[in-house]
Amino acid sequence: GAGVSQSPRYKVAKRGQDVALRCDPISGHVSLFWYQQALGQGPEFLTYFQNEAQLDKSGLPSDRFFAERPEGSVSTLKIQRTQQEDSAVYLCASSLDSLLNQPQHFGDGTRLSIL
Amino acid sequence: DAKTTQPPSMDCAEGRAANLPCNHSTISGNEYVYWYRQIHSQGPQYIIHGLKNNETNEMASLIITEDRKSSTLILPHATLRDTAVYYCIVVSGAGSYQLTFGKGTKLSVIP
Repeated sequence: GAGVSQSPRYKVAKRGQDVALRCDPISGHVSLFWYQQALGQGPEFLTYFQNEAQLDKSGLPSDRFFAERPEGSVSTLKIQRTQQEDSAVYLCASSLDSLLNQPQHFGDGTRLSIL
Repeated sequence: DAKTTQPPSMDCAEGRAANLPCNHSTISGNEYVYWYRQIHSQGPQYIIHGLKNNETNEMASLIITEDRKSSTLILPHATLRDTAVYYCIVVSGAGSYQLTFGKGTKLSVIP
């Protein structure tokens, strides 16, 4: 079956531009997570949704980062007024439910480069 | 979440079993041990998880010690495609079930 799909796969933007990154989770998955992975590092948590509710946004690095999941399915991560330090791979993951024994399944990410 | 400790790198000969250790001495009774791997330019791939009992699936086996303070991921017959960074992660129910990735173990499978 289809896995987590992220688009675009690559995004290049000039400093100061706004960007939007899309995540299509596995169908029927209730929970959705966004992670940021800097070069050479492990992924770091950004935010978490259960259905359409954003239950945890403690990992968002600044108020320039905004995520939404209005219908409880597709999610968008928006970064306003991008800066060079925003360059990273942005990963989306989904899980069937918010239970400890439900694994998260990841997409291949969007590689964002800010010039 | 409990902190995990893994060796930074390991080598394994192709066709042999790869045994990747992980220490999680501060794990709590209701926390699960998860293993993921990440191949270059791809997202992390779920491998296996467990609470107390040993687990096996089509990819690997997970051996958890009786005191739960350490675990070992076993890839029974390593192939070149198993070359990746392997992450051992302890997940608790406190908060949002987020995964906290450490530095992992870089496994190199050698022909």
